[in-house]
Amino acid sequence: SAVISQKPSRDICQRGTSLTIQCQVDSQVTMMFWYRQQPGQSLTLIATANQGSEATYESGFVIDKFPISRPNLTFSTLTVSNMSPEDSSIYLCSVLAGGGYEQYFGPGTRLTVT
Amino acid sequence: KQEVTQIPAALSVPEGENLVLNCSFTDSAIYNLQWFRQDPGKGLTSLLLIQSSQREQTSGRLNASLDKSSGRSTLYIAASQPGDSATYLCAVQYNTDKLIFGTGTRLQVFP
Repeated sequence: SAVISQKPSRDICQRGTSLTIQCQVDSQVTMMFWYRQQPGQSLTLIATANQGSEATYESGFVIDKFPISRPNLTFSTLTVSNMSPEDSSIYLCSVLAGGGYEQYFGPGTRLTVT
Repeated sequence: KQEVTQIPAALSVPEGENLVLNCSFTDSAIYNLQWFRQDPGKGLTSLLLIQSSQREQTSGRLNASLDKSSGRSTLYIAASQPGDSATYLCAVQYNTDKLIFGTGTRLQVFP
């Protein structure tokens, strides 16, 4: 298994500003994922972050809006840039562990943009 | 298009009932399927993982089955308790490693 922590756990931000979310894993993992969960919705993958390479973004998500860093095998950050109220969501990071089959999730960061 | 659907969307039952939650997926070429639990405002807790070669997995009062040919999985919860109240999500993994999530079933178990 993997234990994942995220910072901050929640934040309230003004529109037009940016927020960086940190994700820390207790073991080295190759693949990390960032998901968004809008209010009342299921999870949608934003991007996949592999250490040493550029993140791969899903359709509808772009690097300018959601830049990702992956400096080592236990850490990643997601920045939500130039925020608008539509960015109000829970942002979750996850990793593949357990032999590469099972995904584990962090506790999430609840973002409210006013 | 690869889609995952869960029914029912919501379920409210008295304590002690046995429950069946359903998950269906359009593309049967899955790598594995995972069931999660999400408490309000919280992250996801992995409940069960079924690999494509398996038919079912069990953990305590939970049993998940997989029928790839029909594109279905069920999560069976025995003797439900108020502490089981949460949203249950199924997610399918294809060979790209990313998970495609279902719409969720919001479960409430009342005393």
